Amino acid sequence: QSALTQPPSVSGSPGQSVTISCTGTSNDIGSYNRVSWYQQPPGTAPKLLIHEVSNRPSGVPNRFSGSKSDNTASLTISGLQAEDEADYYCNSYTTSSTYVFGTGTKVTVL
Amino acid sequence: QVQLVESGGGVVQSGRSLRLSCAASGFAFSSHGLHWVRQAPGKGLEWVAVIWYDGNNKYYTDYVKGRFTISRDNFKNTLYLQMNSLRAEDTAVYYCARSPAYCGGACHFDYWGQGTLVTVSS
Repeated sequence: QSALTQPPSVSGSPGQSVTISCTGTSNDIGSYNRVSWYQQPPGTAPKLLIHEVSNRPSGVPNRFSGSKSDNTASLTISGLQAEDEADYYCNSYTTSSTYVFGTGTKVTVL
Repeated sequence: QVQLVESGGGVVQSGRSLRLSCAASGFAFSSHGLHWVRQAPGKGLEWVAVIWYDGNNKYYTDYVKGRFTISRDNFKNTLYLQMNSLRAEDTAVYYCARSPAYCGGACHFDYWGQGTLVTVSS
């Protein structure tokens, strides 16, 4: 199972919006609405940001949003803040009953 | 509050075995599926294995199938990962992660432990 493809890095100024893409196949993202996103600041454990494509757990700011089209999912951070600097990973369930993470994207706030 | 605390990591020689544990508290352990996820130094996250809440279903990434075994003890509220025939490429921080209650398959990971480092030396 190959990792889902994410851009290595994205950057933006405070207040701007950035979007991270996550491209898979018909065996993962394309088959299920079971895409989740995780934020991992340096030296810490990952934290759930989005589940089932676009659902935010309580406590996650509404400037984080998710979407999906065909085999590609996206995470958008609106109104970028300094505290959003972190690595971001997508994840999908697969047709083999396993899971696969994306390659990870480093978000830099300029 | 939900807590997941991993232990059992350390330095081990290639070809040897190691067992990781994840002690859980603050929730109904037997109602939740549990995962192991690893992260090699400086690298991304890699899903390793899942055991459903009822313990009846277990799935693994192809990279560890036949070498690693996931299990749980619902009386001790503890998740395990038995790792045999360890290789240098298994060197990573190993996290345990929880899925929502009664989510069989196709679940996200709503809580994570802080991880335990496994270093396989050749």
